[in-house]
Amino acid sequence: ILNVEQSPQSLHVQEGDSTNFTCSFPSSNFYALHWYRWETAKSPEALFVMTLNGDEKKKGRISATLNTKEGYSYLYIKGSQPEDSATYLCALGNYGQNFVFGPGTRLSVLP
Amino acid sequence: NAGVTQTPKFQVLKTGQSMTLQCAQDMNHEYMSWYRQDPGMGLRLIHYSVGAGITDQGEVPNGYNVSRSTTEDFPLRLLSAAPSQTSVYFCASSLTTGAGNTIYFGEGSWLTVV
Repeated sequence: ILNVEQSPQSLHVQEGDSTNFTCSFPSSNFYALHWYRWETAKSPEALFVMTLNGDEKKKGRISATLNTKEGYSYLYIKGSQPEDSATYLCALGNYGQNFVFGPGTRLSVLP
Repeated sequence: NAGVTQTPKFQVLKTGQSMTLQCAQDMNHEYMSWYRQDPGMGLRLIHYSVGAGITDQGEVPNGYNVSRSTTEDFPLRLLSAAPSQTSVYFCASSLTTGAGNTIYFGEGSWLTVV
Protein backbone atom coordinates (compact mmCIF):
# COMPACT_ATOMS: atom_id res chain seq x y z
CA ILE A 1 0.00 0.00 0.00
CA LEU A 2 1.37 3.40 -0.98
CA ASN A 3 2.13 5.91 1.75
CA VAL A 4 1.09 9.53 1.35
CA GLU A 5 2.32 11.90 4.03
CA GLN A 6 1.28 15.43 4.88
CA SER A 7 3.02 17.96 7.07
CA PRO A 8 2.48 19.59 9.36
CA GLN A 9 -0.34 17.66 11.00
CA SER A 10 -1.86 20.93 12.20
CA LEU A 11 -1.01 24.59 12.36
CA HIS A 12 -2.38 27.82 13.70
CA VAL A 13 -1.80 31.10 11.90
CA GLN A 14 -2.97 34.64 12.42
CA GLU A 15 -5.42 36.26 10.02
CA GLY A 16 -3.47 37.83 7.19
CA ASP A 17 -0.50 35.47 7.43
CA SER A 18 0.50 33.40 4.43
CA THR A 19 1.12 29.72 4.97
CA ASN A 20 2.01 26.55 3.14
CA PHE A 21 2.01 22.83 3.75
CA THR A 22 3.34 19.74 2.07
CA CYS A 23 2.11 16.49 0.59
CA SER A 24 4.78 13.81 -0.01
CA PHE A 25 4.25 10.69 -2.06
CA PRO A 26 6.16 7.93 -3.87
CA SER A 27 6.90 9.13 -7.38
CA SER A 28 6.74 5.80 -9.21
CA ASN A 29 3.66 5.15 -11.39
CA PHE A 30 2.37 8.67 -10.68
CA TYR A 31 -0.76 9.73 -12.52
CA ALA A 32 -2.47 12.54 -10.58
CA LEU A 33 -2.34 14.46 -7.31
CA HIS A 34 -5.51 15.92 -5.86
CA TRP A 35 -6.04 18.53 -3.15
CA TYR A 36 -9.29 18.72 -1.18
CA ARG A 37 -10.56 21.10 1.45
CA TRP A 38 -12.71 19.65 4.22
CA GLU A 39 -14.70 21.60 6.75
CA THR A 40 -16.18 19.41 9.47
CA ALA A 41 -19.82 18.45 8.79
CA LYS A 42 -19.46 19.38 5.13
CA SER A 43 -18.40 17.48 2.03
CA PRO A 44 -14.70 17.57 1.17
CA GLU A 45 -14.41 19.98 -1.73
CA ALA A 46 -12.02 19.57 -4.65
CA LEU A 47 -9.40 22.31 -4.95
CA PHE A 48 -6.96 21.08 -7.58
CA VAL A 49 -6.17 18.09 -9.76
CA MET A 50 -2.60 18.10 -11.04
CA THR A 51 -1.03 15.64 -13.41
CA LEU A 52 2.13 17.19 -14.89
CA ASN A 53 5.49 17.72 -13.26
CA GLY A 54 5.91 21.43 -12.65
CA ASP A 55 2.15 22.08 -12.66
CA GLU A 56 1.09 25.19 -10.81
CA LYS A 57 -2.58 25.85 -10.16
CA LYS A 58 -4.32 28.78 -8.51
CA LYS A 59 -7.79 29.40 -7.13
CA GLY A 60 -8.17 32.80 -5.53
CA ARG A 61 -5.69 33.03 -2.65
CA ILE A 62 -4.87 29.33 -2.78
CA SER A 63 -2.28 27.85 -5.10
CA ALA A 64 -0.48 24.54 -5.47
CA THR A 65 2.67 23.23 -7.10
CA LEU A 66 3.67 19.73 -8.10
CA ASN A 67 7.04 17.98 -8.34
CA THR A 68 6.52 14.41 -9.50
CA LYS A 69 10.23 13.61 -9.80
CA GLU A 70 10.91 14.20 -6.13
CA GLY A 71 7.39 13.27 -5.00
CA TYR A 72 5.91 16.34 -3.35
CA SER A 73 3.26 19.00 -3.74
CA TYR A 74 2.95 22.29 -1.88
CA LEU A 75 -0.29 24.08 -1.08
CA TYR A 76 -0.01 27.81 -0.42
CA ILE A 77 -2.57 30.13 1.13
CA LYS A 78 -1.89 33.84 0.79
CA GLY A 79 -3.32 36.21 3.38
CA SER A 80 -5.16 33.54 5.42
CA GLN A 81 -8.71 34.30 6.50
CA PRO A 82 -10.77 32.62 9.27
CA GLU A 83 -12.91 30.98 6.57
CA ASP A 84 -9.79 29.14 5.36
CA SER A 85 -9.87 27.11 8.57
CA ALA A 86 -10.33 23.51 7.46
CA THR A 87 -8.49 20.25 6.95
CA TYR A 88 -6.59 20.08 3.67
CA LEU A 89 -6.29 16.60 2.20
CA CYS A 90 -4.11 15.42 -0.64
CA ALA A 91 -4.75 12.23 -2.58
CA LEU A 92 -2.47 10.31 -4.90
CA GLY A 93 -3.81 8.57 -7.97
CA ASN A 94 -1.57 5.97 -9.60
CA TYR A 95 -2.07 3.89 -12.69
CA GLY A 96 -4.43 1.02 -12.06
CA GLN A 97 -4.88 1.75 -8.37
CA ASN A 98 -7.41 3.50 -6.19
CA PHE A 99 -6.66 6.84 -4.59
CA VAL A 100 -4.53 6.96 -1.47
CA PHE A 101 -5.22 9.88 0.84
CA GLY A 102 -2.84 11.59 3.19
CA PRO A 103 -3.84 12.18 6.83
CA GLY A 104 -4.52 15.87 6.20
CA THR A 105 -3.24 19.17 7.54
CA ARG A 106 -5.61 20.90 9.92
CA LEU A 107 -5.40 24.68 9.55
CA SER A 108 -6.80 27.12 12.10
CA VAL A 109 -6.78 30.80 11.21
CA LEU A 110 -7.12 33.01 14.26
CA PRO A 111 -8.83 36.39 13.87
CA ASN B 1 -27.50 19.97 -7.94
CA ALA B 2 -27.89 17.27 -5.29
CA GLY B 3 -24.49 15.70 -6.06
CA VAL B 4 -23.73 12.90 -3.60
CA THR B 5 -26.30 12.37 -0.87
CA GLN B 6 -25.67 10.09 2.07
CA THR B 7 -27.82 9.27 5.07
CA PRO B 8 -28.01 9.19 8.01
CA LYS B 9 -25.71 11.99 9.12
CA PHE B 10 -25.45 10.72 12.70
CA GLN B 11 -26.10 7.27 14.13
CA VAL B 12 -25.43 5.49 17.40
CA LEU B 13 -25.43 1.71 17.30
CA LYS B 14 -25.05 -0.98 19.90
CA THR B 15 -22.40 -3.62 19.40
CA GLY B 16 -23.78 -6.42 17.25
CA GLN B 17 -26.47 -4.35 15.56
CA SER B 18 -26.57 -4.04 11.80
CA MET B 19 -27.36 -1.00 9.72
CA THR B 20 -27.13 0.41 6.22
CA LEU B 21 -25.63 3.74 5.21
CA GLN B 22 -27.37 4.98 2.10
CA CYS B 23 -25.60 6.76 -0.74
CA ALA B 24 -27.01 8.16 -3.96
CA GLN B 25 -25.54 10.31 -6.72
CA ASP B 26 -27.38 12.04 -9.56
CA MET B 27 -24.41 12.76 -11.82
CA ASN B 28 -24.45 9.48 -13.75
CA HIS B 29 -21.02 8.62 -12.38
CA GLU B 30 -19.67 5.15 -13.02
CA TYR B 31 -17.33 5.03 -10.06
CA MET B 32 -18.58 5.07 -6.47
CA SER B 33 -16.76 4.34 -3.25
CA TRP B 34 -16.96 4.33 0.53
CA TYR B 35 -14.22 5.65 2.80
CA ARG B 36 -13.79 5.89 6.52
CA GLN B 37 -11.99 8.75 8.23
CA ASP B 38 -10.30 8.16 11.56
CA PRO B 39 -8.28 10.70 13.59
CA GLY B 40 -4.69 11.03 12.36
CA MET B 41 -5.31 8.82 9.35
CA GLY B 42 -6.16 9.53 5.75
CA LEU B 43 -9.43 8.48 4.20
CA ARG B 44 -9.26 4.70 3.87
CA LEU B 45 -11.11 2.91 1.12
CA ILE B 46 -13.65 0.31 2.28
CA HIS B 47 -15.34 -0.82 -0.94
CA TYR B 48 -15.73 0.56 -4.42
CA SER B 49 -17.70 -0.01 -7.59
CA VAL B 50 -16.79 0.72 -11.21
CA GLY B 51 -20.35 0.33 -12.43
CA ALA B 52 -23.73 -1.23 -11.75
CA GLY B 53 -23.38 -4.87 -10.75
CA ILE B 54 -19.65 -4.60 -10.04
CA THR B 55 -18.12 -4.15 -6.59
CA ASP B 56 -14.70 -4.77 -5.13
CA GLN B 57 -12.87 -4.54 -1.82
CA GLY B 58 -10.70 -1.66 -0.81
CA GLU B 59 -8.11 -1.39 1.93
CA VAL B 60 -10.38 -2.05 4.95
CA PRO B 61 -13.39 -4.15 3.81
CA ASN B 62 -13.86 -6.45 6.82
CA GLY B 63 -17.22 -6.07 8.54
CA TYR B 64 -18.79 -4.23 5.61
CA ASN B 65 -20.85 -5.25 2.63
CA VAL B 66 -21.91 -3.30 -0.47
CA SER B 67 -24.05 -3.73 -3.55
CA ARG B 68 -24.56 -1.68 -6.71
CA SER B 69 -27.85 -2.62 -8.31
CA THR B 70 -28.22 0.75 -10.05
CA THR B 71 -25.80 3.42 -11.26
CA GLU B 72 -27.19 5.89 -8.71
CA ASP B 73 -27.14 3.93 -5.46
CA PHE B 74 -24.31 2.38 -3.46
CA PRO B 75 -25.37 1.39 0.08
CA LEU B 76 -22.88 0.29 2.72
CA ARG B 77 -23.98 -2.36 5.20
CA LEU B 78 -22.45 -2.94 8.60
CA LEU B 79 -23.13 -6.57 9.30
CA SER B 80 -22.52 -6.73 13.06
CA ALA B 81 -21.32 -3.39 14.40
CA ALA B 82 -18.18 -3.27 16.53
CA PRO B 83 -16.69 -0.36 18.48
CA SER B 84 -13.76 -0.38 16.02
CA GLN B 85 -16.22 0.75 13.37
CA THR B 86 -16.83 4.04 15.15
CA SER B 87 -15.77 6.51 12.48
CA VAL B 88 -16.86 9.09 9.95
CA TYR B 89 -17.95 7.49 6.69
CA PHE B 90 -17.85 9.21 3.33
CA CYS B 91 -19.50 8.11 0.14
CA ALA B 92 -17.85 9.41 -3.02
CA SER B 93 -18.26 9.25 -6.76
CA SER B 94 -16.37 10.20 -9.90
CA LEU B 95 -17.15 10.06 -13.57
CA THR B 96 -14.91 7.08 -14.25
CA THR B 97 -12.05 5.25 -12.57
CA GLY B 98 -9.40 7.54 -14.11
CA ALA B 99 -7.11 9.09 -11.50
CA GLY B 100 -7.47 12.51 -13.11
CA ASN B 101 -11.20 12.66 -12.37
CA THR B 102 -12.43 14.86 -9.55
CA ILE B 103 -13.94 12.96 -6.62
CA TYR B 104 -17.27 14.24 -5.30
CA PHE B 105 -18.04 13.47 -1.68
CA GLY B 106 -21.15 13.27 0.44
CA GLU B 107 -21.29 15.21 3.69
CA GLY B 108 -20.26 12.28 5.84
CA SER B 109 -22.01 9.98 8.30
CA TRP B 110 -20.86 10.05 11.92
CA LEU B 111 -21.24 6.58 13.37
CA THR B 112 -20.69 5.65 17.01
CA VAL B 113 -20.79 2.03 18.12
CA VAL B 114 -21.18 1.53 21.88
